[in-house]
This record gives sequence, C-alpha cells and structure tokens, in this order.
Amino acid sequence: GAGVSQTPSNKVTEKGKYVELRCDPISGHTALYWYRQSLGQGPEFLIYFQGTGAADDSGLPNDRFFAVRPEGSVSTLKIQRTERGDSAVYLCASRTEPYNSPLHFGNGTRLTVT
Amino acid sequence: AQSVTQLDSHVSVSEGTPVLLRCNYSSSYSPSLFWYVQHPNKGLQLLLKYTSAATLVKGINGFEAEFKKSETSFHLTKPSAHMSDAAEYFCVVSDRSDSWGKLQFGAGTQVVVTP
Repeated sequence: GAGVSQTPSNKVTEKGKYVELRCDPISGHTALYWYRQSLGQGPEFLIYFQGTGAADDSGLPNDRFFAVRPEGSVSTLKIQRTERGDSAVYLCASRTEPYNSPLHFGNGTRLTVT
Repeated sequence: AQSVTQLDSHVSVSEGTPVLLRCNYSSSYSPSLFWYVQHPNKGLQLLLKYTSAATLVKGINGFEAEFKKSETSFHLTKPSAHMSDAAEYFCVVSDRSDSWGKLQFGAGTQVVVTP
C-alpha cells in the first residue's frame, strides 16, 4: 500500500516568509509525528498527534511553529516568519497502535530559507 | 524521560568484515528499541525492533541486535559488510513515560564500507 507522503519534496523560501509543509500518513495510522533533521544530526522530535489532537508538542522550538491535523489524517506543519536557522529536512512519520510499533517515515521536505 | 547515545559517529569497515554499531540507552521503564537506516537522499527505513520479546532480534539485510538490560545496550551487528550497507544508522528508544511514546533518536553513526 501507499506509504507516508510529504509535499513538497523541496521548498526554498525567503527569510520572513510563511511556509506550509504537508504530510499524508498511511491510511488507518492514528499517530502522526513531525521531526526535523539538520545536516549531520539525528532527527529531532517536534510534535505528535494522536487522532486530531496534539498529544505532545514539547519539541516545537518556538511559537513560529504550529501544526494541525483537523480530520485525523493529513497534517500540516506551519512556520511563520521563517529564519535561516529553520533550514532543515522536515520528516513526517505515522504509526498504528500499540505504543511500541515502529514509525513509518516519509521522504521528507527539504526546507531552505535564504 | 528516555535518551539514547550512539558511541561512534563514524565507523569504517572493509567489505566482508563484521560491522558493530554501539548504542546505549537510558529509560525509566521497559523500553522499546529500534534501529533505522538512512541511505543518501532516501527516507528512514526500519532495520529491526525490540519490544520485550526475545533479546536477540533479527532484522532485514542480515542485521541483528541484542538487548542487554544489565548493560543498557542495544548494539547492532552484521557478520559480513556489503558495499550497500554504507549509510547512516540511528538507534531509537521509546518508553511509556510519554502516553504514546515520544521516540528519541541518537545522533547517528555513519558507516563507510571500503572494497
């Protein structure tokens, strides 16, 4: 079946602009995760959803970052007033129950802020 | 809260020789542990997982890992490296400290395979 889909695959934006990154998880997966991976680093947790609600958003770096999942399926990560330090690959993953099931990752969106 | 430490940032091996990637974890609960691989410009792929069943876990592509609670380790091994094993490897820990498990990634180990 289809895997996790992320769009766009690449996004270049100017400093100060607003961007939206989209994630379409595997059908039926109730948990959805966002991670950020900077060059040479491991993925850094941002937020995860259980259904429509954010179960843990402790990884969001500041209030410029926001994510939604209004119908419990597709999620959008929104970044306001982008900064050059936001440049990274943003990874989305989904998984089903139970808590110890593995994450299935998309190929990521590479965000470059110029 | 859980955490994971990958003891080597880079490992270089010759083709046909064994591979050992070291991972230590910290967890207040019985953890779930995973190894993921990331090839250049590709997505993260699950190699194997430990979820409190057998302590020796076999994964894809000939990899295996052993959970050792007394040493809080989950090292990844392969008896004979192949050129296609060149990639970055991540050790990941999850436990019940978060209601649904916030997976914590290690910093990664870059594996280079020489002919």
